[in-house]
Amino acid sequence: GESVGLHLPTLSVQEGDNSIINCAYSNSASDYFIWYKQESGKGPQFIIDIRSNMDKRQGQRVTVLLNKTVKHLSLQIAATQPGDSAVYFCAENTVGSQGNLIFGKGTKLSVKP
Amino acid sequence: EAQVTQNPRYLITVTGKKLTVTCSQNMNHEYMSWYRQDPGLGLRQIYYSMNVEVTDKGDVPEGYKVSRKEKRNFPLILESPSPNQTSLYFCASSPRRTNEKLFFGSGTQLSVL
Repeated sequence: GESVGLHLPTLSVQEGDNSIINCAYSNSASDYFIWYKQESGKGPQFIIDIRSNMDKRQGQRVTVLLNKTVKHLSLQIAATQPGDSAVYFCAENTVGSQGNLIFGKGTKLSVKP
Repeated sequence: EAQVTQNPRYLITVTGKKLTVTCSQNMNHEYMSWYRQDPGLGLRQIYYSMNVEVTDKGDVPEGYKVSRKEKRNFPLILESPSPNQTSLYFCASSPRRTNEKLFFGSGTQLSVL
């Protein structure tokens, strides 16, 4: 698992390259997954979500892939830009839940110009 | 501009001195929630509210109170703050009646001495 703060896993990519951020989730009953982006000094920002009846979902420059067999989620960012530098969190829950959204501990993406 | 507004942005206080962190959203969202973010522990839910006068405990409610007298406001109250409540706090709201697709505020950094 990842850790927020001092021991945060870091992914460093060159501007223009594609980025892949991975996340392992814990609950096999989870059927709703979300990626959030958190820039320094700001709150998390919704990027994209996916339900368990899908394997793949695309947004603008981002793609989320879900592998339920191995409980793995990934976020792909195409043509990574300096503005993509941030901490990325995956989160899991069950559809329709009002309660706790379970967040992963984050991966820091650093984009080199 | 659609947003979740928290105040204050930074707060330093002493043990036992009651404080309130305000949260307001202008998107007419029914669902609101409070999270705390700590290094190594990620984001954890404190309380949530599905509608006016409806609140429920999240994963770490001890030492906190909330109220939801109006749809737009969801203040977080620490009746007797302790040093272990030193943390970064985020308020969030959702256009759905669940914790999906949360919009987060910019955060309140609280230090309890």
